[in-house]
Amino acid sequence: AQTVTQSQPEMSVQEAETVTLSCTYDTSENNYYLFWYKQPPSRQMILVIRQEAYKQQNATENRFSVNFQKAAKSFSLKISDSQLGDTAMYFCAFMTPGFQKLVFGTGTRLLVSP
Amino acid sequence: GAVVSQHPSWVICKSGTSVKIECRSLDFQATTMFWYRQFPKQSLMLMATSNEGSKATYEQGVEKDKFLINHASLTLSTLTVTSAHPEDSSFYICSARPPNLAKNIQYFGAGTRLSVL
Repeated sequence: AQTVTQSQPEMSVQEAETVTLSCTYDTSENNYYLFWYKQPPSRQMILVIRQEAYKQQNATENRFSVNFQKAAKSFSLKISDSQLGDTAMYFCAFMTPGFQKLVFGTGTRLLVSP
Repeated sequence: GAVVSQHPSWVICKSGTSVKIECRSLDFQATTMFWYRQFPKQSLMLMATSNEGSKATYEQGVEKDKFLINHASLTLSTLTVTSAHPEDSSFYICSARPPNLAKNIQYFGAGTRLSVL
């Protein structure tokens, strides 16, 4: 069974600074997808970024980028130029194409302060 | 695009009654929808996978007679919590996957807070 581990329950960063959230996963699959979802206080889950395992190039979406290390089974999220609106819970998630199920990590609560 | 609507956003009910939660994909057809449960300050746990026109697939430990799922159309799935009890109080979230299988992205509803008195 696949597992996703987020070892940082809480992180704090000041506005305009950079922060990195960690995520590791365990799987025997070779083809899979990894996601970072954001859950702000409204509790609406929002897709932040997505990575396909067969792509070596790290995904980027504006201020958000990932460091995908397939051999190490690591998938960290870097948020640059942090903004107050980035305050939220961040969940790392894993999916295998065949099963279509998302397996979530336990989440990291990020607080961005002025 | 890819908007998922969930209704109601908050419901309070008496113990022993049943509650229905709706999940709609507004701008795409979803052959598969998913229902999750989230306890306070915890992660999302998949309850079941809802397939249009067929029976839902429940995760281990989820009572199918307790949590009835109906996916009668390509844009609507419903979760009915039958004979609700206080321990069923939780945050329920649905998601739907657009037909573009290559992207494998799930889009989420805003969730339903269920409080059973």
